[in-house]
Amino acid sequence: KAGVTQTPRYLIKTRGQQVTLSCSPISGHRSVSWYQQTPGQGLQFLFEYFSETQRNKGNFPGRFSGRQFSNSRSEMNVSTLELGDSALYLCASSLESGPDTQYFGPGTRLTVL
Amino acid sequence: ILNVEQSPQSLHVQEGDSTNFTCSFPSSNFYALHWYRWETAKSPEALFVMTLNGDEKKKGRISATLNTKEGYSYLYIKGSQPEDSATYLCASPRSAGNMLTFGGGTRLMVKP
Repeated sequence: KAGVTQTPRYLIKTRGQQVTLSCSPISGHRSVSWYQQTPGQGLQFLFEYFSETQRNKGNFPGRFSGRQFSNSRSEMNVSTLELGDSALYLCASSLESGPDTQYFGPGTRLTVL
Repeated sequence: ILNVEQSPQSLHVQEGDSTNFTCSFPSSNFYALHWYRWETAKSPEALFVMTLNGDEKKKGRISATLNTKEGYSYLYIKGSQPEDSATYLCASPRSAGNMLTFGGGTRLMVKP
C-alpha cells in the first residue's frame, strides 16, 4: 500500500505571497492532520480533517486554512506569507479520527524569503 | 503538567547499552499516548499508541509502559544499535480526535 504523499517537497516563496500544499493519504484513511515543525517550536498541530469536515484546529492565525476532498486528499493554504512561516509542514493520515495510529508523509519544506 | 514534556533532551550511548527515556503528560482528560521515531531525512514513524493505564507494548527491542494516573510513559530500548539513532517523540491528544500535542523529543545517538 502506498504511503502518505505530499507535494511539493520543497517550495520557496516571498513575503506576502500565498501557498497551497497537498497531501494524499493512505488509501482508505479518512482522517488527515497537518503539523508545522520549526526548530524553536517543535511539532505543532494545525488542523485535522475527517470526512471533509474540519474536526480540530490548532492555535494558528486565520491565514492558515485547509480543506479535504471527497477522496480524502487534503490541501492546506497559507495566505500573506510571513518569514516565520518558514517550516517543515507534515501531514499525517489515519483510518479514523483518534485515538489511532497516524502515518506521516515526508513533508513539504517551505522557505519564505 | 500542562504540556507534554520529554526528558532527557538528548542522550549518547554506546552500542549494546540499554536506555530509557520519559514522557510526562497531563493526567486529566487522558485519551491516548503516542510514541514516534523520527530519523533524519525521513518521516516520523509510529511506534506505539497506548490508551490503557498499565499498558505495556513491545516492538522488537523497543518497549513502552504507560501510567495515566500519574501522567508518564517510559520508552525502553534494549541493546541499542546505531540504527536506533533518531529523535523519539511522544504525543498526546487533548481532545477526542487526532489533535496531538507533541513533546520536544529525545534525541538518541548510539555510537558503534
